[in-house]
Amino acid sequence: DQQVKQNSPSLSVQEGRISILNCDYTNSMFDYFLWYKKYPAEGPTFLISISSIKDKNEDGRFTVFLNKSAKHLSLHIVPSQPGDSAVYFCAAMEYGNKLVFGAGTILRVKS
Amino acid sequence: KAGVTQTPRYLIKTRGQQVTLSCSPISGHRSVSWYQQTPGQGLQFLFEYFSETQRNKGNFPGRFSGRQFSNSRSEMNVSTLELGDSALYLCASSLGGRGRDSLLSNEKLFFGSGTQLSVL
Repeated sequence: DQQVKQNSPSLSVQEGRISILNCDYTNSMFDYFLWYKKYPAEGPTFLISISSIKDKNEDGRFTVFLNKSAKHLSLHIVPSQPGDSAVYFCAAMEYGNKLVFGAGTILRVKS
Repeated sequence: KAGVTQTPRYLIKTRGQQVTLSCSPISGHRSVSWYQQTPGQGLQFLFEYFSETQRNKGNFPGRFSGRQFSNSRSEMNVSTLELGDSALYLCASSLGGRGRDSLLSNEKLFFGSGTQLSVL
């Protein structure tokens, strides 16, 4: 029972273009969403988050959009850089409970 | 401030053996969570400890257990290892508070580099 789904296992983008990573969830009780980035041989690191009371949150080149009615969120990276190449995990949480992670999307930014 | 430290970094075991993994959280963090990462499955939650008590538990068999010490360090134990237990085991720490106002800071997990377990 995957409550958080990242349906694209991988994504390839040209340097300078926009990267859009998608995430869908099934649990309507989730009220907090996060994105983590993971490089090989390292643990995931926090990237950006959004509360369910918002529909957009920006941090530099990274923007997360939340569509509660569609139970969908996306991460936009503009402009994409080769150093952004990593695995991106979407995660969701119901207040007071554990984080539930998606399977991850491998992003490759080509120079 | 030192990050989350996991030991050992790599481990090779055979079926039927048992293994203990260690995690030292960031100083001041009271919550330690454990995750299993396998290709295609993402990060699967094992359990969370807060102030020496298990606060949340995932859907793993009883062969997977953990504990937390008074200094917040945590250990995870897997008994009777199976081939399917081969994975990267990640530990994450956070402040762990429950108040809504501290949600944003407390629920950001800081991960260690993981222990790569291979079961032969």
